[in-house]
Amino acid sequence: GQQLNQSPQSMFIQEGEDVSMNCTSSSIFNTWLWYKQEPGEGPVLLIALYKAGELTSNGRLTAQFGITRKDSFLNISASIPSDVGIYFCAGAFTGNQFYFGTGTSLTVIP
Amino acid sequence: GAGVSQTPSNKVTEKGKYVELRCDPISGHTALYWYRQSLGQGPEFLIYFQGTGAADDSGLPNDRFFAVRPEGSVSTLKIQRTERGDSAVYLCASRRDRANTGELFFGEGSRLTVL
Repeated sequence: GQQLNQSPQSMFIQEGEDVSMNCTSSSIFNTWLWYKQEPGEGPVLLIALYKAGELTSNGRLTAQFGITRKDSFLNISASIPSDVGIYFCAGAFTGNQFYFGTGTSLTVIP
Repeated sequence: GAGVSQTPSNKVTEKGKYVELRCDPISGHTALYWYRQSLGQGPEFLIYFQGTGAADDSGLPNDRFFAVRPEGSVSTLKIQRTERGDSAVYLCASRRDRANTGELFFGEGSRLTVL
């Protein structure tokens, strides 16, 4: 199945720093979702995007639906230790089948 | 229930055995998905149900894998003649399936280990 490309693959940052990650696809999507997964748990939804160019925030998290509809970005401001985890993007065209990215592993150093 | 529930949380079996994994979606969610996640990878789509019917089973790797949702709620993923390569976390997700509401809500997964 199709997988989306996420970068960077991993990040090691100091507490308080801002984080940026992105997700790209060869296909056009009309829905982008961002998830966070911690060890032994299922992915937890962070942000959902439905329109090209849309910018949506959820607390310290901000995500954008790329204008080309082939990419999306997630930013985390003022990182804290509990932000540690793997972040996945997911895209869908018809709204039925969701394709997931390869993940960005985030480590926050106190 | 409040969230997607999956059982068992862990299953260890021997090569060649039959396995069933169960998913109880969020109450009222009509769409149900099964994904497989290998170590270090993102979730990989297996099958999607809309109500009782499998709307898209294109992700099932081969005919050893089968899933049912007879009453449009609980779903069971069935794996016959398990192989070591089937070892993974099997994730279930549900979606309310209203227009413009595309969010998937995941369970904690069933970790399958085939020895």
